[in-house]
Amino acid sequence: DTEVTQTPKHLVMGMTNKKSLKCEQHMGHRAMYWYKQKAKKPPELMFVYSYEKLSINESVPSRFSPECPNSSLLNLHLHALQPEDSALYLCASSPLGGDNSGNTIYFGEGSWLTVV
Amino acid sequence: GDSVTQMEGPVTLSEEAFLTINCTYTATGYPSLFWYVQYPGEGLQLLLKATKADDKGSNKGFEATYRKETTSFHLEKGSVQVSDSAVYFCALSDPGEKLTFGTGTRLTIIP
Repeated sequence: DTEVTQTPKHLVMGMTNKKSLKCEQHMGHRAMYWYKQKAKKPPELMFVYSYEKLSINESVPSRFSPECPNSSLLNLHLHALQPEDSALYLCASSPLGGDNSGNTIYFGEGSWLTVV
Repeated sequence: GDSVTQMEGPVTLSEEAFLTINCTYTATGYPSLFWYVQYPGEGLQLLLKATKADDKGSNKGFEATYRKETTSFHLEKGSVQVSDSAVYFCALSDPGEKLTFGTGTRLTIIP
């Protein structure tokens, strides 16, 4: 089973709202990721958590705040977003060594975010 | 740094045609190579992968061979179906490095 589950699938929020995107995996993976994908573009890395600690922040604005409550869950808290932040937000996970899957990254179905 | 160059799209083929989507890469180490597929309105699915030179990844009738001498990982399928219409991303991952994507190739199969 290589399933990463994301909720909600669609989210519409105003520029003053606070909302969260949620991600869950039960594959025992120890790395989790947030990517942002704009139309007709490849995904862009935002954050990486390794062993529940933030290891990479790709200079993402502070209006995006990641959280990793445990090894299975990853959240992305959203506050004071701009219309240009509208995109597909993809969660992903991968094993970290010691596994014949190597560094394969598995993606969820994504959350479509519209900021109005 | 690492990079992936992918065949520009869009690509339109008739059903049962032979498919090739070219992908070449530049990497400093010994990367793993991947093809991901994104169907309309969905997330990315891993289609196939290869972790070392001369490995062949295959899935759902698609194949790609890791060619170190030509730094290529071209995606092929002998007979495409309408259901193969999607965007295909070639990607590489160097150990300890980020996943690097190509720009994506949109494939449309017409009946």
